[in-house]
Amino acid sequence: AQRVTQPEKLLSVFKGAPVELKCNYSYSGSPELFWYVQYSRQRLQLLLRHISRESIKGFTADLNKGETSFHLKKPFAQEEDSAMYYCALRDGGSQGNLIFGKGTKLSVKP
Amino acid sequence: GAGVSQSPSNKVTEKGKDVELRCDPISGHTALYWYRQSLGQGLEFLIYFQGNSAPDKSGLPSDRFSAERTGGSVSTLTIQRTQQEDSAVYLCASSSRTSGSLHTQYFGPGTRLTVL
Repeated sequence: AQRVTQPEKLLSVFKGAPVELKCNYSYSGSPELFWYVQYSRQRLQLLLRHISRESIKGFTADLNKGETSFHLKKPFAQEEDSAMYYCALRDGGSQGNLIFGKGTKLSVKP
Repeated sequence: GAGVSQSPSNKVTEKGKDVELRCDPISGHTALYWYRQSLGQGLEFLIYFQGNSAPDKSGLPSDRFSAERTGGSVSTLTIQRTQQEDSAVYLCASSSRTSGSLHTQYFGPGTRLTVL
């Protein structure tokens, strides 16, 4: 079954510390993976996608097919990074809907 | 340009009543998705529309839920005989098929439904 797992409901770090939000997936085939972010009182928005191999707001994520992981990393967290982060898998077998993890709330303390 | 809009932003209803939630996608976007965001459950896919094709209803949790999309633009999600477990934030997203394989989905602000 296709599934996205984010094991941490809450992650709390201090400003300037490295941060890693974990994401593991279960998918038979070639996955398309995304990270979405929802800041307080804002709508859900795309942060980055593995296919683009990009760095957005200092965040990167590498797809590791061997470990079926797509962890989100940032070397130096900022207070404005505090938000809900969702890892998502695009269901290529269907019509492209996203399968989301349950999300990790990142809290960056001053 | 304008993003995805949804109305109402909040809806409080009594158990057993029917509710309609509206989504206006980004102009020109042919794909439209409905998701439900429940406390502790994350985001669940409900239904997908693409152009004039038959919708993918595989995520609808029961036959009390239905959706339609008129003229390939505005969509309405209807929940009949609402139950307390239907309380959630209902999110709509749209994407353009011309974006190639990336299929970036743009989300609306959501409708928070509370069933008393």
